[in-house]
Amino acid sequence: TQLLEQSPQFLSIQEGENLTVYCNSSSVFSSLQWYRQEPGEGPVLLVTVVTGGEVKKLKRLTFQFGDARKDSSLHITAAQPGDTGLYLCAGAIFRGSTLGRLYFGRGTQLTVWP
Amino acid sequence: GAGVSQSPSNKVTEKGKDVELRCDPISGHTALYWYRQSLGQGLEFLIYFQGNSAPDKSGLPSDRFSAERTGGSVSTLTIQRTQQEDSAVYLCASSLVGGIVPSYEQYFGPGTRLTVT
Repeated sequence: TQLLEQSPQFLSIQEGENLTVYCNSSSVFSSLQWYRQEPGEGPVLLVTVVTGGEVKKLKRLTFQFGDARKDSSLHITAAQPGDTGLYLCAGAIFRGSTLGRLYFGRGTQLTVWP
Repeated sequence: GAGVSQSPSNKVTEKGKDVELRCDPISGHTALYWYRQSLGQGLEFLIYFQGNSAPDKSGLPSDRFSAERTGGSVSTLTIQRTQQEDSAVYLCASSLVGGIVPSYEQYFGPGTRLTVT
């Protein structure tokens, strides 16, 4: 069972376009993180959001945590070829024996063409 | 400082053989995680260590899989009698604090690509 559903699974766009990736769940998360992974490498953390309704900006990337802490979105403005990669959302639920693990979505493969 | 390192980077083995994968976490990181990633898929949780103990090993797919951590540092993931479906990239991550802190960051190694022929 996939706790976090990411959409779209694949995204292919031209340089300069805007895009949004969604991460949804029926579960409430204590925190949610976004990672970016390039071929042959491990995921690299982009941002952590903790508070419901929180918005964080990282240059052209805007991350939002839903008010109910069940969903999140990643918006990229004016995409560049260097943004190409696999974007993964991951949520943490702090309760009982599941302390410490992250639940990952399946990822969104973004390709930005010059 | 040094990041998370994993060895070997690639491993090709015959079906039925045992393999050991190694992870060296960032120095001082108390929590260590193992994940598995199949081609084009997200990350599948395997096991989590806090210090040398594993409070959550619920993701290990079968009793052929085991892991240990010694000295609160290096961890080894062992797969016995490997099967073709074990082929995947095995990723290790560490974090400074695991548990009741509401936000924490996991730092990943480059992974070990395991191919079972």
